[in-house]
Amino acid sequence: GENVEQHPSTLSVQEGDSAVIKCTYSDSASNYFPWYKQELGKRPQLIIDIRSNVGEKKDQRIAVTLNKTAKHFSLHITETQPEDSAVYFCAASNNYGQNFVFGPGTRLSVLP
Amino acid sequence: DAGVIQSPRHEVTEMGQEVTLRCKPISGHDYLFWYRQTMMRGLELLIYFNNNVPIDDSGMPEDRFSAKMPNASFSTLKIQPSEPRDSAVYFCATGQGGLFDEQFFGPGTRLTVL
Repeated sequence: GENVEQHPSTLSVQEGDSAVIKCTYSDSASNYFPWYKQELGKRPQLIIDIRSNVGEKKDQRIAVTLNKTAKHFSLHITETQPEDSAVYFCAASNNYGQNFVFGPGTRLSVLP
Repeated sequence: DAGVIQSPRHEVTEMGQEVTLRCKPISGHDYLFWYRQTMMRGLELLIYFNNNVPIDDSGMPEDRFSAKMPNASFSTLKIQPSEPRDSAVYFCATGQGGLFDEQFFGPGTRLTVL
């Protein structure tokens, strides 16, 4: 089955700096890659997703890049703000409706 | 819409007792997912339904766990008998695109089994 790894597990950045979180996956059939943000004590919420027919997607300060050959995808947050502090989860899924797997999460702390 | 509704929000029970968690999906969402979140194992997909039919229950950890969706507006996750290692936050999520689109999570039920 699918295996998703995520690095780093914790990340601290200064406010205004950029943050990058990387995920790798094992199943070459995976073609949908969402990112969820979970604030402390809250529910996960989708912040951005990408499908395998594109290599990059951007939404304001957030971008995701996908390298299908290397089987990795990354979340980029620019101009970080304290409210970006949360745990970020990547996930991978495929057309067969199987193997929807979340990564272990990255705890991002944005220091004022 | 009030979003996905879960009840109870907190449940404390003793080992061996039956636990029932409830979920009301967002109206019009025909996919419903049950997740378990723990520090050790992260977010795990337990089971999901499409149009009230279970599609994949391969994530259900043991026979002690069962889930039903008797109609489009209600689902339950039952643990019988419960064990301390079942302590976790259980999330229900719903969506319109299955595993290839946004899932809207409920607030979760924090279960503690003593």
